[in-house]
Amino acid sequence: DIVMTQSPDSLALSLGERATITCKSSQTILYRFNNKSYLAWYQQRPGQPPKLLIYWASTRESGVPDRFSGSGSGTDFTLTINDLQAEDVAVYFCQQYYGSPRTFGQGTKLEIK
Amino acid sequence: QVHLQESGPGLVKPSETLSLTCAVSGSSVRSGRFYWSWIRQPPGKGLEWIGYVFYTGSNTYNPSLKSRVSMSLDTSKKEFSLNLTSVTAADTAVYYCARESVSLAGIVDSWGQGILVTVSS
Repeated sequence: DIVMTQSPDSLALSLGERATITCKSSQTILYRFNNKSYLAWYQQRPGQPPKLLIYWASTRESGVPDRFSGSGSGTDFTLTINDLQAEDVAVYFCQQYYGSPRTFGQGTKLEIK
Repeated sequence: QVHLQESGPGLVKPSETLSLTCAVSGSSVRSGRFYWSWIRQPPGKGLEWIGYVFYTGSNTYNPSLKSRVSMSLDTSKKEFSLNLTSVTAADTAVYYCARESVSLAGIVDSWGQGILVTVSS
């Protein structure tokens, strides 16, 4: 299985600040034939199911604010959240869909100071 | 707008079979555009992909659970199901049914609300 490792496990920031969450895969999830990294980011608010934010490492899902952005390729990826809002309090998960089984990172809990 | 709703018992005894159903509305389970999947989350922990069933009836399971899992699709009822045999306390989790996009290589674009299943005698 491809192991996904996120850091940090948790972070607490003030409103308006920038959050940076990283995700590293145990092997490349870049498919050479289409030059796409098979990496998604999900947001899970308390008591809710996860919600898709980003796929192909950097493509925002429809309706997701442009404060959210994804970057990276191969094995190293970053989710950046600019101008933190109260509604961003959640756990964020990365997921690879390059290999089977699909696997998720352990999650990063984002809180507001 | 697709809507997924899990149903089934919230309590299962050890060694018995966990059975859940997901009712789908707003999307056709007969469509070759989607995989219909199950994902679980133990309380306070991360997400584990269990597997999916396709409209043809074919499926792919997580090897870690493959010997105990089966999934099926009922197009007439617009629902799909999960069976997990020989459960233990380690199978206690919130179980989500979900829709994965074939064109996007399996990205989960819709989730049910989830159902907590506790394994206990």
